[in-house]
Amino acid sequence: AQTIHQWPVAEIKAVGSPLSLGCTIKGKSSPNLYWYWQATGGTLQQLFYSITVGQVESVVQLNLSASRPKDDQFILSTEKLLLSHSGFYLCAWSLTTGGDEQYFGPGTRLTVL
Amino acid sequence: QQKVQQSPESLIVPEGGMASLNCTSSDRNVDYFWWYRQHSGKSPKMLMSIFSNGEKEEGRFTVHLNKASLHTSLHIRDSQPSDSALYLCAASRAGNTGKLIFGLGTTLQVQP
Repeated sequence: AQTIHQWPVAEIKAVGSPLSLGCTIKGKSSPNLYWYWQATGGTLQQLFYSITVGQVESVVQLNLSASRPKDDQFILSTEKLLLSHSGFYLCAWSLTTGGDEQYFGPGTRLTVL
Repeated sequence: QQKVQQSPESLIVPEGGMASLNCTSSDRNVDYFWWYRQHSGKSPKMLMSIFSNGEKEEGRFTVHLNKASLHTSLHIRDSQPSDSALYLCAASRAGNTGKLIFGLGTTLQVQP
């Protein structure tokens, strides 16, 4: 069975500080990986997707970057946090694109003060 | 303008009642529709997907799709308090690198 793990569970950070969020998928080789952001009470917005190791495409510019250093790992980061970065960050995976279900991880709740 | 529009914004139904949620895409190239359910503080879980015209039923949940109008609806019969959640509709295109466009959601409250 596939499992998806995100870390940390929650983070409180100061404006201007750096951030690194991680996501690991176990039990599935070469999945498609995605990062989503959800503002409190808001909808989900896809930020990045990756079809293969080392390749990441940006969907929305929010002063964030993403990398896929390993087949099963996806990292979201920024060097300088903004207040607007607060929210719920979700990693997801799917078998392929288009018609395959996306499975979401448990998420990381980020508060920027 | 939101490409995936959902209505109503919120809905209250009594326990045992029927909840009906709507979703329309303004992107004429959409191929797939998805319904996700998100309980408060949790991550979304897919409830149902529908790709072709017609109806699909799974237990208490029924989803309809009219591809001509790009409208889908989700119906929950015999609603339970555990169905109280945010329901998100999403749409995607075939072969489009997995880009899911979500609507703003419908908050469902089932009153015991």
